[in-house]
Amino acid sequence: GAGVSQSPRYKVAKRGQDVALRCDPISGHVSLFWYQQALGQGPEFLTYFQNEAQLDKSGLPSDRFFAERPEGSVSTLKIQRTQQEDSAVYLCASSSRRQGEYNSPLHFGNGTRLTVT
Amino acid sequence: SQQGEEDPQALSIQEGENATMNCSYKTSINNLQWYRQNSGRGLVHLILIRSNEREKHSGRLRVTLDTSKKSSSLLITASRAADTASYFCATARVKLVFGAGTILRVKS
Repeated sequence: GAGVSQSPRYKVAKRGQDVALRCDPISGHVSLFWYQQALGQGPEFLTYFQNEAQLDKSGLPSDRFFAERPEGSVSTLKIQRTQQEDSAVYLCASSSRRQGEYNSPLHFGNGTRLTVT
Repeated sequence: SQQGEEDPQALSIQEGENATMNCSYKTSINNLQWYRQNSGRGLVHLILIRSNEREKHSGRLRVTLDTSKKSSSLLITASRAADTASYFCATARVKLVFGAGTILRVKS
């Protein structure tokens, strides 16, 4: 079946603009994760959803970052008043297992590359 | 902050040679996973080793885990140009935490 789909693939925003990044997980996957990956670094955890519930948002760097998954499938990561340090690749991943049951892999999308000018 | 640290940061080898990457971590874990990332793409899961396992094989991949030293290694045998990618270890406890990765270049 289809994998995790993210859109847009590339986004250029002027400093101060709001952006919305979309993630379509694999159908039926309970868990959805957002990660931020800076150039040359590994992915850093942002937030986790189990179905529609946001159970962990400890990795969100500031209150300008907001994520939702209202119907337990598609998720949107919103960044308000973007700043240059927000430039990174934002990766979405889904899993059929709940967080803490890491006996199955995460399936990643290809990410959205955000550039803030 | 990242839990795991990969070593080396970059590795360049000839096709047909073996590649070994190491990962060290700081806290106790449930399992450790290795992922590959091709340039401009998402991460792809390679192999998972549980905390009570010491070694695991999958095709040309061999992973070892030493929980007493809090370290793991990934061996890719008979490397191919298509193995060129970044490789990340990820430790699983409450959440999956990734290291900074090893960039592997296989020259043909």
